Order: sequence, then C-alpha cells, then structure tokens
Amino acid sequence: GESVGLHLPTLSVQEGDNSIINCAYSNSASDYFIWYKQESGKGPQFIIDIRSNMDKRQGQRVTVLLNKTVKHLSLQIAATQPGDSAVYFCAEDSWGKLQFGAGTQVVVTP
Amino acid sequence: DTAVSQTPKYLVTQMGNDKSIKCEQNLGHDTMYWYKQDSKKFLKIMFSYNNKELIINETVPNRFSPKSPDKAHLNLHINSLELGDSAVYFCATKTVNTEAFFGQGTRLTVV
Repeated sequence: GESVGLHLPTLSVQEGDNSIINCAYSNSASDYFIWYKQESGKGPQFIIDIRSNMDKRQGQRVTVLLNKTVKHLSLQIAATQPGDSAVYFCAEDSWGKLQFGAGTQVVVTP
Repeated sequence: DTAVSQTPKYLVTQMGNDKSIKCEQNLGHDTMYWYKQDSKKFLKIMFSYNNKELIINETVPNRFSPKSPDKAHLNLHINSLELGDSAVYFCATKTVNTEAFFGQGTRLTVV
C-alpha cells in the first residue's frame, strides 16, 4: 500500500507471513519519520520511528526502511499475527509539522 | 491515567449548532495538535499550538477556532456546524523530535 490517492489501500496477509507496507512522503526537508498503527475506534499508536540520518531501524517484529533518494518509507512486519490487523500510517515530521500519509488497511487472514 | 484525553468521545448535533471538543494532556509536551479524520481514514492536520501559541493553521474554515488556555489544554470550538464537519477529530501532543501521542478521538456527527 502507498499513500497516494483518495482510497484506503488494503493489504491482505496470511497469518505467519511477513507484511510490507509502503509509503511515499512529500517533503524532502522532513527529518523524522514515524509509523503508526490505528485499531478500530482508537487513536493512532506509535510503532517505530526513524531519523533522516538512518536508512534502517529494527524493533520487535518490525523494521522500517527509509530511502531518501526516492522519498520512500516501508514498514516490514515479521510473522504477521491477527492482532496486527489495523490501519497503518506513515507520518513525516518537518519542523514540528506532522503530516500523515493516506494509510494502509492490513487484514490478517487465518 | 490517560496521557491525552478528549471529551466528549461521541457528539451528535444538528446543523447550525455550535459545539466544543476538549483535550487535555499530562505529558508536559509543548506542542498540541488537532487532526480531522474523514470516512476514508485520511488524517489531516488542522492546527498546531506550541506553548499556547498558534503555529500551524491549515486551510480550515474560520468556523473552527482552537483555544489553548494553558500548555496542557487545547480545545476546539466549531461554529455553525455543517454536515461536512462530520468526522473523527483527534488531539495529539508531542515534544521535539519524538513521536506524537494521540487521544482516543471524538466522533462528531452532524445531522
């Protein structure tokens, strides 16, 4: 899924498989990037972040990759679980202005 | 103890009414935001305050007026509500170079 257009892209993943969610950001001056997870009826929650001086960062079961050349972010979720079903957003922070991509709905199937 | 709390969680009101949504944070953050999330889940920044001072004001109708009485509070007042104002409104807070923390959202329905 990618943050363009007016629709909400959906990624259907089988439980146990790896998920990759993509995001294109717009501002080359942005220096801080964050991935959020939003479950139904809740506010967005922090997953992982990366600063512009890095190209990869790993957390628990999640990895964020940053390609500044093409202004592209990706979130990889290892061994996707039913609890990972949610909408995922990338966000770019440019001098405190935090702007979100369109989001990707991840649906985990058994 | 909720870090960012919004009230009310749900708000149903008639067109033309004036309503307010309140946000309080206990994280000690300097910056607070209001976001609008539409039915397609798109999160659009509306306003940002830093130490009670308005620093970001996106292209939002002037029927929307934020007010920050102190660093811990950012309220959103909406005049003459319209059908298109129906959405989920999120308050968020952050400090420099950290992630933002979001409230649980206020679902506004204008009928």
